[in-house]
Amino acid sequence: SAVISQKPSRDICQRGTSLTIQCQVDSQVTMMFWYRQQPGQSLTLIATANQGSEATYESGFVIDKFPISRPNLTFSTLTVSNMSPEDSSIYLCSVVTGTMDTEAFFGQGTRLTVV
Amino acid sequence: QKEVEQNSGPLSVPEGAIASLNCTYSDRVSQSFFWYRQYSGKSPELIMSIYSNGDKEDGRFTAQLNKASQYVSLLIRDSQPSDSATYLCAVKGSGGSNYKLTFGKGTLLTVNP
Repeated sequence: SAVISQKPSRDICQRGTSLTIQCQVDSQVTMMFWYRQQPGQSLTLIATANQGSEATYESGFVIDKFPISRPNLTFSTLTVSNMSPEDSSIYLCSVVTGTMDTEAFFGQGTRLTVV
Repeated sequence: QKEVEQNSGPLSVPEGAIASLNCTYSDRVSQSFFWYRQYSGKSPELIMSIYSNGDKEDGRFTAQLNKASQYVSLLIRDSQPSDSATYLCAVKGSGGSNYKLTFGKGTLLTVNP
C-alpha cells in the first residue's frame, strides 16, 4: 500500500475564488489520479497526472477549470478554479500500487464547500 | 460508456448474519475487480481485489467473480456493527483505459446490534 497525505482536509471558499489541493505520497508512483465525489454519489475520475507530461482529463473536465501539476513522482496538486456552489464536493487523490499495479489507494480527501 | 451497477440499498442485516453485496459491470473484457469500504466522511479503503473466476477469501470477507455473467459479489460473514458503511464496487478498464477504475454508486450496509 501507499501512505497518501492530502491537504487541506476541508475548506469553505467564496464563489469565484480558487483552491489548490495538495497530495503527497510516501513512495514514487508513475500515475496519480484525482477524483471528485459529490454528495451521495460515487467517485468520478477528473484526470490522470503523469510526471513530466500534461494531465489527461476525462470527459466533462477541462484544464482551465481543474489545472493539475505533477512536478515529481511523489507530489501533485489539483486547483479548482473560479469556484461555484456546484463545485462543492469531496476531492480525492489516488495512486495505484501493488504487485499487479492495479490496487488503488486514496488520500483522506478534501471536503470543499463553496458559498 | 462503461458502467458498474450496484443496488444502492440500504441493506440492513442483524449482527452475526451474512451480508451479501452485488455488482454487475458492462465491460466484458475487464480483468480486475475491487471492493472498497467507505465510512461516512472518510475516503474509500480497499478491502478486496479479485482477478480470477471463483471465490477469494480474506478473513470474514469473500469476493466472488463470475466473468461469464459479468458479476462480482462480496460476502461479509458474522457481520459486525463496525461493518456499517458504504461498499463500492470498482472495475479496472481494458485496452487503452486499463489504468482507470470505474466505480459503482455503492451499497449502504447497516448492521444492527
